Amino acid sequence: AQTVTQSQPEMSVQEAETVTLSCTYDTSESDYYLFWYKQPPSRQMILVIRQEAYKQQNATENRFSVNFQKAAKSFSLKISDSQLGDAAMYFCAYRSAIWETSGSRLTFGEGTQLTVNP
Amino acid sequence: ETGVTQTPRHLVMGMTNKKSLKCEQHLGHNAMYWYKQSAKKPLELMFVYSLEERVENNSVPSRFSPECPNSSHLFLHLHTLQPEDSALYLCASSQDATSGIQGTQYFGPGTRLTVL
Repeated sequence: AQTVTQSQPEMSVQEAETVTLSCTYDTSESDYYLFWYKQPPSRQMILVIRQEAYKQQNATENRFSVNFQKAAKSFSLKISDSQLGDAAMYFCAYRSAIWETSGSRLTFGEGTQLTVNP
Repeated sequence: ETGVTQTPRHLVMGMTNKKSLKCEQHLGHNAMYWYKQSAKKPLELMFVYSLEERVENNSVPSRFSPECPNSSHLFLHLHTLQPEDSALYLCASSQDATSGIQGTQYFGPGTRLTVL
């Protein structure tokens, strides 16, 4: 079974600075998808960025980018120019690309609570 | 409205009550999901529907009964719940329920359920 580990329960960053959130995962599969979701105090789970494992190029979405290291099974999220609105719980998630093994299941990590200081 | 909506946002019920949670997606998707988010635990997938047909049921107790009348609406009927069922219940949808990129899930704001 796949597992996702976020080793940083809490992180903080100064407004306008850069922060990196860590995520590692364990799988024996070669084709899969990785996601970062954010969950602000409103509790809405919002998709931040996604990465397809067969793509070597790291995904970017505006101020958000990932460092995908497939061999190391690492998928970190970098937030540049941090804003107060980035404060949230961030979840890393894994989904197999093989329907027969996991269906639609998203496997989530336990989350990292990010605080942005003014 | 856009995206995925859920009602009610907050619900308090007794163990003998019967209530329903509602989810509606405005994205033209064909797959919908129910997740449970408890304190200190990762999100747990409960049910998956694809084109109104249940395709996954992850060992969820029968006191939770899902219903998907069409691809835009998903319900979770609750009866005889236990206090440990108190949690945030999240609904999600995706273009379809495949393992490809079309399976990327988009979430609603959740219903905070408290069982007394």
